[in-house]
Amino acid sequence: EAQVTQNPRYLITVTGKKLTVTCSQNMNHEYMSWYRQDPGLGLRQIYYSMNVEVTDKGDVPEGYKVSRKEKRNFPLILESPSPNQTSLYFCASSFSSGEYSYEQYFGPGTRLTVT
Amino acid sequence: DQQVKQNSPSLSVQEGRISILNCDYTNSMFDYFLWYKKYPAEGPTFLISISSIKDKNEDGRFTVFLNKSAKHLSLHIVPSQPGDSAVYFCAASEAGKTRGSEKLVFGKGMKLTVNP
Repeated sequence: EAQVTQNPRYLITVTGKKLTVTCSQNMNHEYMSWYRQDPGLGLRQIYYSMNVEVTDKGDVPEGYKVSRKEKRNFPLILESPSPNQTSLYFCASSFSSGEYSYEQYFGPGTRLTVT
Repeated sequence: DQQVKQNSPSLSVQEGRISILNCDYTNSMFDYFLWYKKYPAEGPTFLISISSIKDKNEDGRFTVFLNKSAKHLSLHIVPSQPGDSAVYFCAASEAGKTRGSEKLVFGKGMKLTVNP
């Protein structure tokens, strides 16, 4: 089954304790992205990757790191989490089926609470 | 400054009737638009998209209309079903180096409730 998986699905942690949220896709997509969803703000892009070893900042990259060492994996790293990073996080991967057609597939989400 | 706007936070319709969800954008460079549906505790799922070379795209009960001059698009669901109750996000992108690699800009979402 084609899918994007994220782990963990739920995480409660304390300020300053480093954490990693993993993301993996089995569709051989080149493009992957991380978003956070906050009430009243919709989805905002944190980081994205156009291919292995190619990453770039999205709209809200502060406090986050990413890496793309393999095509299928795109982990999100919070070196020193703070309460304002409490949010719902989504990983996505995308493909293009033509110049005028593409889709992004989203993972199920990771709800992070930083106390 | 919000580039993709979904000005109505919610919509309630009767089963069998038409649901019309609206979206406005400000960036004239956007050339591809997508609608996503999101159920609680799940990730957004792709629903339908439209390129700026078209003004209408239809897929079953779902039709998206694009009015480039007004920078407005709408999603029509006919007939609406209770299972359509979800949060709907409008998203837009401008052409990147490779189609499929563009950054998506999302609206805040709109909650649709379809009453039986």
